Amino acid sequence: ETGVTQTPRHLVMGMTNKKSLKCEQHLGHNAMYWYKQSAKKPLELMFVYNFKEQTENNSVPSRFSPECPNSSHLFLHLHTLQPEDSALYLCASSQITNTGPADPLGEFFGPGTRLTVL
Amino acid sequence: AQKVTQAQTEISVVEKEDVTLDCVYETRDTTYYLFWYKQPPSGELVFLIRRNSFDEQNEISGRYSWNFQKSTSSFNFTITASQVVDSAVYFCALSASSGTYKYIFGTGTRLKVLA
Repeated sequence: ETGVTQTPRHLVMGMTNKKSLKCEQHLGHNAMYWYKQSAKKPLELMFVYNFKEQTENNSVPSRFSPECPNSSHLFLHLHTLQPEDSALYLCASSQITNTGPADPLGEFFGPGTRLTVL
Repeated sequence: AQKVTQAQTEISVVEKEDVTLDCVYETRDTTYYLFWYKQPPSGELVFLIRRNSFDEQNEISGRYSWNFQKSTSSFNFTITASQVVDSAVYFCALSASSGTYKYIFGTGTRLKVLA
């Protein structure tokens, strides 16, 4: 496997279900991100992890719970979601230094998980 | 405040036409990076280019070219002789030092190239 992988690619869940999205990067990057992309809305940054530590939480509801056990893996645990949470969830990774993005190719994105909440 | 504006929501062109996608950014930082990404229907964002704030040299890569002008805070993207495979949503993004280099994305421009 190369780059950034995400599983599952598609997920349909009820509002009372609990599920998890998984992201894995094979690039040796030190930062990982979760983005939400809803129809006709800009990409919304949800969480940022730098060296496994959460450095940013952009006012995301508690029904979304991230977990970063190591610098290669990132999870997004979902519970009691709402229909408006249906979206494409994208994971990304990058190499960040004090002077900016170290990788000239910027952030690498996974293919996303298309989530539908019924 | 940092912001990226892509005023064109959707553009339709006929194959072989040239098309320019606009991107205007706002930042008070002197060190920043600008990016363009392509998102085909499959959903994955594909990196196209990165420029840093100290390099205003325009770049050409095949049918793609980018015009970076600090004077107007713009980083426009031109596709020459467009093809159907160019149909996608294109995002411009800004990464700046005061924002700890997190990416600020524009709302994207949907490009439809008609055969």
